[in-house]
Amino acid sequence: DIQMTQSPSSLSASVGDRVTITCRASQSISSYLNWYQQKPGKAPKLLIYAASSLQSGVPSRFSGSGSGTDFTLTISSLQPEDFATYYCQQSYITQWTFGQGTKVEIK
Amino acid sequence: QVQLQESGPGLVKPSETLSLTCTVSGGSISSYYWSWIRQPPGKGLEWIGYIYYSGSTNYNPSLKSRVTISVDTSKNQFSLKLSSVTAADTAVYYCARGVEDTAMVDTFLDYWGQGTLVTVSS
Repeated sequence: DIQMTQSPSSLSASVGDRVTITCRASQSISSYLNWYQQKPGKAPKLLIYAASSLQSGVPSRFSGSGSGTDFTLTISSLQPEDFATYYCQQSYITQWTFGQGTKVEIK
Repeated sequence: QVQLQESGPGLVKPSETLSLTCTVSGGSISSYYWSWIRQPPGKGLEWIGYIYYSGSTNYNPSLKSRVTISVDTSKNQFSLKLSSVTAADTAVYYCARGVEDTAMVDTFLDYWGQGTLVTVSS
């Protein structure tokens, strides 16, 4: 199976900061990479699909990039509602896998 | 607006079978990958498996021997059965809809249920 490794596991940031989260796949997954946001007690929410496509209704401050094994989720200007845990997920092979998550906390 | 709702027992005894149903409303169950994902308390997401509306399935290799996912298109429902459960199977279980992006053949989870906590305990 394909292992997905996110870094960092957690980070502290202030409102207005630019935040970058990295996801690395154990083998090439082309652009079959999705990003989700999860707030406490809530279901995950799709942010980015196919590595860089913004899901409808998601603010444009969220962006995704990368292909192959290395991917990035960027929040251009962190807002109070963005404090949450973020997960990447690959669908390159039929056994899907998630990264372990990155928790974004208030500094 | 598509909505998914999980239902089933919140408490299951060790060695028994966990059974959950996801009811889909506001849309057809056809042409999508209907998925189950779980999250142990305080931990990350684990993909359990999916069923395509036609009936073909794919499962997490680590759970494959214990998992069955089925679909009932007449009721717009799909179900999860996980056998021989232990305390390690205690988690919030989510159902979700998988959509294939035809341009990239990427598949992503665009609608999720609210999740249901299943505790395995005697």
